[in-house]
Amino acid sequence: NAGVTQTPKFQVLKTGQSMTLQCAQDMNHEYMSWYRQDPGMGLRLIHYSVGAGITDQGEVPNGYNVSRSTTEDFPLRLLSAAPSQTSVYFCASSYGSTWGTDTQYFGPGTRLTVL
Amino acid sequence: AQSVTQPDIHITVSEGASLELRCNYSYGATPYLFWYVQSPGQGLQLLLKYFSGDTLVQGIKGFEAEFKRSQSSFNLRKPSVHWSDAAEYFCAVGGSNFGNEKLTFGTGTRLTIIP
Repeated sequence: NAGVTQTPKFQVLKTGQSMTLQCAQDMNHEYMSWYRQDPGMGLRLIHYSVGAGITDQGEVPNGYNVSRSTTEDFPLRLLSAAPSQTSVYFCASSYGSTWGTDTQYFGPGTRLTVL
Repeated sequence: AQSVTQPDIHITVSEGASLELRCNYSYGATPYLFWYVQSPGQGLQLLLKYFSGDTLVQGIKGFEAEFKRSQSSFNLRKPSVHWSDAAEYFCAVGGSNFGNEKLTFGTGTRLTIIP
């Protein structure tokens, strides 16, 4: 098992550009989520999905879109990048049926800089 | 609303010394408590978790944590740290409170090990 994979590892964007951060897992997990990590703020939830075709907003969803067409993939789209979106982004997945109680498996992260 | 407080932003410990990282939580029902570790440039990995039962929980890499309901704490301990323990440590609280599932991370404690 590759676990949770994320691409790219690093990305530099200019303000206003769009891009998609890719996330895939091969553990047949139902739950997938996106977090951003900023210094002194820990991890904050952006969006999450409880299964294919079902997504919902987390704590900081503005400026981001997600979709979940398959169990394996959960891409995060930045429609018009802003400097405030400079951060490290982590994708995570979990197996169980109760999202708040299950072990999260994290990808290695994408470091995004918006100029 | 649930929350997690990690009062120590940065801790420095000598190799071979004991370690205790503090975590206090606020949660309206029975909490599910987690400690995750993030090595430099990596994603988060689960160290240990507490759901119920014995309040002293053993994890990987020689770590343990003790749940104290009366103090709303879940402190992480290790009797003798190794240089490889240098990382950032995150406490998290979750649960299934009447179907309102949520997982909240603390802001993290960065651990530095000196020879």
